[in-house]
Order: sequence, then C-alpha cells, then structure tokens
Amino acid sequence: TQLLEQSPQFLSIQEGENLTVYCNSSSVFSSLQWYRQEPGEGPVLLVTVVTGGEVKKLKRLTFQFGDARKDSSLHITAAQPGDTGLYLCAGAGRDSSYKLIFGSGTRLLVRP
Amino acid sequence: GAVVSQHPSRVICKSGTSVKIECRSLDFQATTMFWYRQFPKQSLMLMATSNEGSKATYEQGVEKDKFLINHASLTLSTLTVTSAHPEDSSFYICSATSQGVLNNYGYTFGSGTRLTVV
Repeated sequence: TQLLEQSPQFLSIQEGENLTVYCNSSSVFSSLQWYRQEPGEGPVLLVTVVTGGEVKKLKRLTFQFGDARKDSSLHITAAQPGDTGLYLCAGAGRDSSYKLIFGSGTRLLVRP
Repeated sequence: GAVVSQHPSRVICKSGTSVKIECRSLDFQATTMFWYRQFPKQSLMLMATSNEGSKATYEQGVEKDKFLINHASLTLSTLTVTSAHPEDSSFYICSATSQGVLNNYGYTFGSGTRLTVV
C-alpha cells in the first residue's frame, strides 16, 4: 500500500506570510498531483509533476517533485485569505491500475 | 476540458434503504473510474476502481456487497450503497480517467455527493 503523509495537518497564518506544505512517501510515484478542495466540492487540480526534481510555478505557488519521485512540496508566497482551503497531494502508482492515492491533507487558514 | 457530472449532489435516506449515485463523463470516454469517500475534515479515501465492462476492484476494508459498483459503459459508473446505515453518511466523490484520450495523467473529479442516512 502506498501511503502519502502530508505535513503540517493544519496551518493558520497571517495574510502575507509564506508557507510550505510537504508530501512524503516511501514509495515511488509515476506522477504526483496537488489539489485544492473547498467544502462540499470535489478537488480541483492545481498541478501535475512527473519528472524527478521538477519545479513548477503557478503564480504565487511553487511545486517541487523530489529527485527520487517519492516526495513533493508546495510553497505559497505572500499568502492571501483566498488561499484558504484543504490542500491535497495525490500520487499515481507505477502499475497499470491508474489508482490515484491521496495524502492526508493540509488545512490552510489565512487570516486577514 | 473534461467534465465529470455526479448526481445527486445531496441525498437523505432512511436507514436500511439503498441509494444510487451516478458518475458520468460528459465529453470523454472514461476507461477507468474511481470512487472515494471523505469524512469531515479528512482526506479522500479510495474505495474502489472500476473499469468498463469488468468487475470493480475494491480497496482493503471496503465491503463489495455493501458498496455495489457498476461500470456498464465508457461514460457511466454507479455506486449503490445498499442497506445504508448512519455510519455510511459521508461525502462520496467519483473520478474518471481515460488511458487513451486524456494523457498527462489526467483525472477529472465529480462535484461529490453528500449522503446522510437518518
């Protein structure tokens, strides 16, 4: 079973601060995705990383895939209240099942 | 872009009855669909993987006789919660992917179904 651990589980910060969320596993993934979910809705894809060491930027969000493709991080610069939400990493296995396994989640609250 | 429609968005049922949730891919053929369950303030837990025309593969600890999954066509998968009990109350989310059309590891999620068993 592939497990993805996210840290921290909960983060409450002031508007303007920076933060980093980590996603770690002992397993290797063919790809890793980051999602953001609002209450009562399905998760919305933010980014997909595929290559070990890959870095992708989406405005104030920077995503990195570990060299060994076992871990990833999400860094948010100058957080805003609109960034509040549940952030989920999800890994796709290397077998043919195409299963997407979600991390434990990080709940972010950005206070104005 | 790819769209997955999930219906109903909310359902309340009496204990002991069955509830069917539909997941449709509107503009692509979904060779594989996934069903997740999410409890309050928790992450998504994979329940089962369904491939069109074959039996679903259930994750460990998920009762296949309680959560019936049918993937009869390339655009529709259904999850039926049989003999529902209050502990089955949860947020159920489907996801679809296509091995052929949607490359780049594309997964599209439905908007979820809030099931409340009273």
